[in-house]
Amino acid sequence: KAGVTQTPRYLIKTRGQQVTLSCSPISGHRSVSWYQQTPGQGLQFLFEYFSETQRNKGNFPGRFSGRQFSNSRSEMNVSTLELGDSALYLCASSLEAGLDEQYFGPGTRLTVT
Amino acid sequence: GENVEQHPSTLSVQEGDSAVIKCTYSDSASNYFPWYKQELGKGPQLIIDIRSNVGEKKDQRIAVTLNKTAKHFSLHITETQPEDSAVYFCAAPRSGGYQKVTFGTGTKLQVIP
Repeated sequence: KAGVTQTPRYLIKTRGQQVTLSCSPISGHRSVSWYQQTPGQGLQFLFEYFSETQRNKGNFPGRFSGRQFSNSRSEMNVSTLELGDSALYLCASSLEAGLDEQYFGPGTRLTVT
Repeated sequence: GENVEQHPSTLSVQEGDSAVIKCTYSDSASNYFPWYKQELGKGPQLIIDIRSNVGEKKDQRIAVTLNKTAKHFSLHITETQPEDSAVYFCAAPRSGGYQKVTFGTGTKLQVIP
């Protein structure tokens, strides 16, 4: 069974631009969560989607948004990029709603210059 | 909000020795406690988890213990091998009406051959 896939794996953007990251969960998994990982702040929860609805949201500004499609694939968008948005963005999937038994993808390394 | 403290931040052990990593949490509503292993350039991998109705769980060389009264849980790795070298994270998802998950700050484990 294929794992969680994320595209692209690496991305370089300029301040003020926007970016869209994509995540395909494990086949059959219906919940997708997004995380930001930085050396300074560690792993931080962004939001969780289930059945195309955002169920939970972490403490991030409104510039961070996401959505989930009917096939459970998810995208997250960051608008008006700031230097501090440089991070590894991780997607995790789980079978059902909730944050139990999550399986992470390899991440997208975003660099904002 | 939930606070998860993880110790130690770095740990070096000789191959074959045991390693223990401990996490404490603050939210009594937490009822699921996973441990993740993150190797360089990869996303976190779920290696073992425990639920609040169980005191200990073992899977080959790794085990997790939970002390709900003291609000701490620990990862035990026995007979360590060089491939165990990685960063390990604990997490304490909060169940209930508003779900979020807080990760520990990570422990960099180095197994010296």
